[in-house]
Amino acid sequence: GENVEQHPSTLSVQEGDSAVIKCTYSDSASNYFPWYKQELGKRPQLIIDIRSNVGEKKDQRIAVTLNKTAKHFSLHITETQPEDSAVYFCAATNQAGTALIFGKGTTLSVSS
Amino acid sequence: KAGVTQTPRYLIKTRGQQVTLSCSPISGHRSVSWYQQTPGQGLQFLFEYFSETQRNKGNFPGRFSGRQFSNSRSEMNVSTLELGDSALYLCASSLGTGSFEKLFFGSGTQLSVL
Repeated sequence: GENVEQHPSTLSVQEGDSAVIKCTYSDSASNYFPWYKQELGKRPQLIIDIRSNVGEKKDQRIAVTLNKTAKHFSLHITETQPEDSAVYFCAATNQAGTALIFGKGTTLSVSS
Repeated sequence: KAGVTQTPRYLIKTRGQQVTLSCSPISGHRSVSWYQQTPGQGLQFLFEYFSETQRNKGNFPGRFSGRQFSNSRSEMNVSTLELGDSALYLCASSLGTGSFEKLFFGSGTQLSVL
């Protein structure tokens, strides 16, 4: 079945450094790729999303890149701040567009 | 605008019982989807409702069911509870133009099965 692999599972960076989280998906027909941020004890929140007809999207300090050939997409956070500390989930729609498959999450810790 | 509201916030049940969870979407949102979140499996899609109809369904047993009312509020029911059903159940609403686009999540219902 469809699968989304997310790496790394944990990531620790110093404030001001960049952080990169990578996801690979199994279904070449997937066409929508959102990223959600979940702070401890809070609800997941959409931070950025990308469609399969776009290679890159930026929103201030965050960006997402998509490589359809390799079937992977990545989240890039620049100039990290302590408030970026959270669990980040990537996701992809399945071939039929009837389900959203999530990666298992990356716990990002930003130390000052 | 009020966010997505889920009730109750916490539930404790015993094996074999059944439970009903409620979700009120953001005003104007017609799609409601449900997810199970556990430390080991992450977020897993249960089902999605749009205009009172189940539009999509994940790979969960028939013990998990749901419905949506004309005001877009949704309920999820789990019958014959098992220990493994202990999890945070999240619902999310969206405008519904795309089944899973721009989801707004509720705070979830933490279900503990003893």
